[in-house]
Amino acid sequence: AQSVTQLDSQVPVFEEAPVELRCNYSSSVSVYLFWYVQYPNQGLQLLLKYLSGSTLVESINGFEAEFNKSQTSFHLRKPSVHISDTAEYFCAVSYTGKLIFGQGTTLQVKP
Amino acid sequence: EAGVAQSPRYKIIEKRQSVAFWCNPISGHATLYWYQQILGQGPKLLIQFQNNGVVDDSQLPKDRFSAERLKGVDSTLKIQPAKLEDSAVYLCASSRTSGGIYNEQFFGPGTRLTVL
Repeated sequence: AQSVTQLDSQVPVFEEAPVELRCNYSSSVSVYLFWYVQYPNQGLQLLLKYLSGSTLVESINGFEAEFNKSQTSFHLRKPSVHISDTAEYFCAVSYTGKLIFGQGTTLQVKP
Repeated sequence: EAGVAQSPRYKIIEKRQSVAFWCNPISGHATLYWYQQILGQGPKLLIQFQNNGVVDDSQLPKDRFSAERLKGVDSTLKIQPAKLEDSAVYLCASSRTSGGIYNEQFFGPGTRLTVL
Protein backbone atom coordinates (compact mmCIF):
# COMPACT_ATOMS: atom_id res chain seq x y z
CA ALA A 1 0.00 0.00 0.00
CA GLN A 2 1.07 3.54 -0.67
CA SER A 3 1.57 6.10 2.11
CA VAL A 4 2.96 9.61 2.49
CA THR A 5 4.76 11.15 5.47
CA GLN A 6 5.35 14.85 5.82
CA LEU A 7 8.01 15.17 8.45
CA ASP A 8 7.15 18.67 9.71
CA SER A 9 3.69 19.80 10.78
CA GLN A 10 4.71 23.45 10.97
CA VAL A 11 7.60 25.36 9.43
CA PRO A 12 8.08 28.98 10.54
CA VAL A 13 10.43 31.04 8.40
CA PHE A 14 11.26 34.70 7.88
CA GLU A 15 10.43 36.45 4.62
CA GLU A 16 13.11 36.11 1.93
CA ALA A 17 14.68 33.11 3.69
CA PRO A 18 14.94 29.70 1.97
CA VAL A 19 12.62 26.89 2.96
CA GLU A 20 12.37 23.12 2.51
CA LEU A 21 9.23 21.09 3.21
CA ARG A 22 10.00 17.41 3.52
CA CYS A 23 7.99 14.55 2.07
CA ASN A 24 8.71 10.83 2.07
CA TYR A 25 6.55 8.18 0.50
CA SER A 26 6.22 4.44 0.70
CA SER A 27 5.25 2.37 -2.30
CA SER A 28 6.16 -0.97 -3.80
CA VAL A 29 5.32 0.26 -7.30
CA SER A 30 6.02 3.35 -9.37
CA VAL A 31 3.86 6.29 -8.40
CA TYR A 32 3.29 9.85 -9.46
CA LEU A 33 4.09 12.58 -6.94
CA PHE A 34 2.45 15.93 -6.28
CA TRP A 35 2.52 18.98 -4.10
CA TYR A 36 -0.74 20.81 -3.45
CA VAL A 37 -1.17 24.17 -1.69
CA GLN A 38 -4.21 25.23 0.33
CA TYR A 39 -4.67 28.89 1.19
CA PRO A 40 -7.01 29.76 4.08
CA ASN A 41 -10.67 28.99 3.32
CA GLN A 42 -9.84 27.77 -0.18
CA GLY A 43 -9.64 24.41 -1.89
CA LEU A 44 -6.45 22.63 -2.84
CA GLN A 45 -4.47 23.85 -5.84
CA LEU A 46 -1.88 21.80 -7.68
CA LEU A 47 1.55 23.36 -7.18
CA LEU A 48 3.70 20.91 -9.12
CA LYS A 49 3.88 17.28 -10.16
CA TYR A 50 6.34 14.56 -11.10
CA LEU A 51 5.12 12.02 -13.64
CA SER A 52 8.30 11.00 -15.43
CA GLY A 53 11.45 12.43 -17.00
CA SER A 54 13.54 15.04 -15.20
CA THR A 55 13.59 14.47 -11.46
CA LEU A 56 13.59 18.22 -10.78
CA VAL A 57 10.24 19.90 -11.33
CA GLU A 58 9.38 23.56 -10.96
CA SER A 59 6.28 25.66 -10.39
CA ILE A 60 5.49 29.06 -11.87
CA ASN A 61 5.89 30.83 -8.51
CA GLY A 62 9.44 29.74 -7.68
CA PHE A 63 8.92 26.43 -5.89
CA GLU A 64 10.76 23.31 -6.98
CA ALA A 65 10.77 19.68 -5.89
CA GLU A 66 13.17 16.86 -6.60
CA PHE A 67 12.15 13.23 -6.94
CA ASN A 68 14.70 10.97 -5.25
CA LYS A 69 13.82 7.36 -5.91
CA SER A 70 16.57 5.85 -3.73
CA GLN A 71 15.48 7.89 -0.72
CA THR A 72 11.76 7.76 -1.65
CA SER A 73 11.53 11.49 -1.13
CA PHE A 74 9.95 14.46 -2.91
CA HIS A 75 11.00 17.49 -0.89
CA LEU A 76 9.67 20.95 -1.78
CA ARG A 77 12.03 23.93 -1.78
CA LYS A 78 11.99 27.65 -2.43
CA PRO A 79 15.11 29.83 -2.27
CA SER A 80 13.30 32.96 -1.02
CA VAL A 81 9.78 32.93 0.44
CA HIS A 82 7.18 35.71 0.49
CA ILE A 83 4.45 36.51 2.97
CA SER A 84 1.96 35.33 0.35
CA ASP A 85 3.43 31.80 0.50
CA THR A 86 1.86 31.32 3.93
CA ALA A 87 -0.42 28.31 3.47
CA GLU A 88 -0.86 24.60 4.09
CA TYR A 89 1.16 22.35 1.77
CA PHE A 90 0.24 18.75 1.05
CA CYS A 91 2.39 16.10 -0.58
CA ALA A 92 0.50 13.34 -2.38
CA VAL A 93 1.09 10.17 -4.35
CA SER A 94 -1.10 8.74 -7.06
CA TYR A 95 -1.40 5.15 -8.15
CA THR A 96 -4.09 4.19 -10.63
CA GLY A 97 -5.47 7.71 -10.35
CA LYS A 98 -6.22 7.63 -6.61
CA LEU A 99 -4.58 10.44 -4.60
CA ILE A 100 -3.14 9.65 -1.16
CA PHE A 101 -2.19 12.72 0.85
CA GLY A 102 0.27 13.36 3.63
CA GLN A 103 -0.75 15.10 6.83
CA GLY A 104 0.20 18.55 5.59
CA THR A 105 2.80 21.15 6.56
CA THR A 106 1.85 24.66 7.59
CA LEU A 107 4.30 27.18 6.20
CA GLN A 108 4.28 30.36 8.29
CA VAL A 109 6.20 33.21 6.70
CA LYS A 110 7.02 36.00 9.13
CA PRO A 111 7.91 39.58 8.12
CA GLU B 1 -13.83 28.16 -17.15
CA ALA B 2 -15.83 27.99 -13.92
CA GLY B 3 -14.30 25.94 -11.11
CA VAL B 4 -15.80 23.28 -8.90
CA ALA B 5 -18.71 24.71 -6.92
CA GLN B 6 -19.76 23.51 -3.48
CA SER B 7 -22.51 24.50 -1.09
CA PRO B 8 -23.01 25.29 1.65
CA ARG B 9 -19.60 26.62 2.66
CA TYR B 10 -20.29 26.15 6.37
CA LYS B 11 -22.72 23.99 8.30
CA ILE B 12 -23.26 23.52 12.03
CA ILE B 13 -25.51 20.70 13.24
CA GLU B 14 -26.07 18.68 16.36
CA LYS B 15 -25.11 15.02 16.58
CA ARG B 16 -27.69 12.59 15.26
CA GLN B 17 -28.99 15.19 12.79
CA SER B 18 -28.76 14.77 9.03
CA VAL B 19 -26.85 16.96 6.59
CA ALA B 20 -26.30 17.11 2.85
CA PHE B 21 -23.58 18.72 0.74
CA TRP B 22 -23.81 19.61 -2.93
CA CYS B 23 -21.10 19.70 -5.58
CA ASN B 24 -21.14 20.87 -9.19
CA PRO B 25 -17.98 19.80 -11.05
CA ILE B 26 -16.25 21.57 -13.90
CA SER B 27 -18.26 21.23 -17.09
CA GLY B 28 -17.25 18.18 -19.08
CA HIS B 29 -15.44 16.45 -16.24
CA ALA B 30 -16.51 12.83 -16.09
CA THR B 31 -14.93 11.96 -12.77
CA LEU B 32 -16.02 13.36 -9.42
CA TYR B 33 -14.45 12.78 -6.01
CA TRP B 34 -15.53 13.44 -2.43
CA TYR B 35 -12.79 13.82 0.21
CA GLN B 36 -12.97 14.21 3.99
CA GLN B 37 -10.32 16.46 5.54
CA ILE B 38 -10.20 16.26 9.35
CA LEU B 39 -8.34 19.08 11.09
CA GLY B 40 -4.61 18.40 11.11
CA GLN B 41 -4.83 15.64 8.51
CA GLY B 42 -4.63 15.38 4.76
CA PRO B 43 -7.73 14.78 2.66
CA LYS B 44 -8.99 11.20 2.53
CA LEU B 45 -10.95 9.90 -0.44
CA LEU B 46 -14.50 8.88 0.47
CA ILE B 47 -15.97 8.06 -2.93
CA GLN B 48 -15.13 8.38 -6.62
CA PHE B 49 -17.66 8.51 -9.45
CA GLN B 50 -17.04 7.98 -13.15
CA ASN B 51 -20.05 9.62 -14.82
CA ASN B 52 -22.92 8.31 -12.68
CA GLY B 53 -21.25 5.06 -11.60
CA VAL B 54 -19.24 4.43 -8.43
CA VAL B 55 -15.58 3.55 -9.06
CA ASP B 56 -14.32 3.42 -5.47
CA ASP B 57 -16.24 3.77 -2.21
CA SER B 58 -14.01 1.54 -0.09
CA GLN B 59 -13.48 4.23 2.56
CA LEU B 60 -17.04 5.51 2.73
CA PRO B 61 -18.74 4.66 6.09
CA LYS B 62 -21.79 3.24 4.41
CA ASP B 63 -23.79 2.88 7.60
CA ARG B 64 -24.17 6.67 7.77
CA PHE B 65 -22.73 8.21 4.60
CA SER B 66 -24.31 8.07 1.16
CA ALA B 67 -23.57 9.80 -2.12
CA GLU B 68 -25.18 9.99 -5.50
CA ARG B 69 -24.53 11.44 -8.93
CA LEU B 70 -27.75 10.57 -10.69
CA LYS B 71 -27.30 12.39 -14.00
CA GLY B 72 -23.52 12.18 -14.14
CA VAL B 73 -23.08 15.88 -13.41
CA ASP B 74 -23.62 17.30 -9.92
CA SER B 75 -23.44 15.20 -6.79
CA THR B 76 -24.79 15.10 -3.25
CA LEU B 77 -23.07 13.66 -0.18
CA LYS B 78 -25.29 12.92 2.82
CA ILE B 79 -24.57 12.03 6.42
CA GLN B 80 -27.37 10.48 8.46
CA PRO B 81 -27.07 10.51 11.44
CA ALA B 82 -24.02 12.67 12.09
CA LYS B 83 -21.47 11.92 14.80
CA LEU B 84 -19.03 14.26 16.52
CA GLU B 85 -16.12 12.67 14.62
CA ASP B 86 -17.70 13.72 11.31
CA SER B 87 -16.60 17.30 11.96
CA ALA B 88 -14.34 18.05 9.01
CA VAL B 89 -14.05 19.86 5.71
CA TYR B 90 -15.67 17.95 2.86
CA LEU B 91 -13.92 18.60 -0.43
CA CYS B 92 -15.26 17.86 -3.87
CA ALA B 93 -12.94 17.49 -6.84
CA SER B 94 -13.35 16.66 -10.50
CA SER B 95 -11.17 15.53 -13.39
CA ARG B 96 -11.71 14.90 -17.10
CA THR B 97 -11.50 11.17 -16.57
CA SER B 98 -9.77 8.68 -14.31
CA GLY B 99 -7.14 6.02 -14.71
CA GLY B 100 -4.58 6.26 -17.48
CA ILE B 101 -1.34 8.10 -16.84
CA TYR B 102 -2.65 11.07 -14.90
CA ASN B 103 -5.66 13.32 -14.83
CA GLU B 104 -5.40 16.47 -12.76
CA GLN B 105 -8.00 16.85 -10.05
CA PHE B 106 -9.49 20.31 -9.53
CA PHE B 107 -10.81 21.01 -6.04
CA GLY B 108 -13.73 23.06 -4.81
CA PRO B 109 -13.51 25.36 -1.76
CA GLY B 110 -15.01 22.73 0.55
CA THR B 111 -17.82 22.61 3.09
CA ARG B 112 -16.78 22.96 6.73
CA LEU B 113 -19.03 20.79 8.92
CA THR B 114 -19.15 21.22 12.67
CA VAL B 115 -21.07 18.60 14.66
CA LEU B 116 -21.95 19.68 18.22
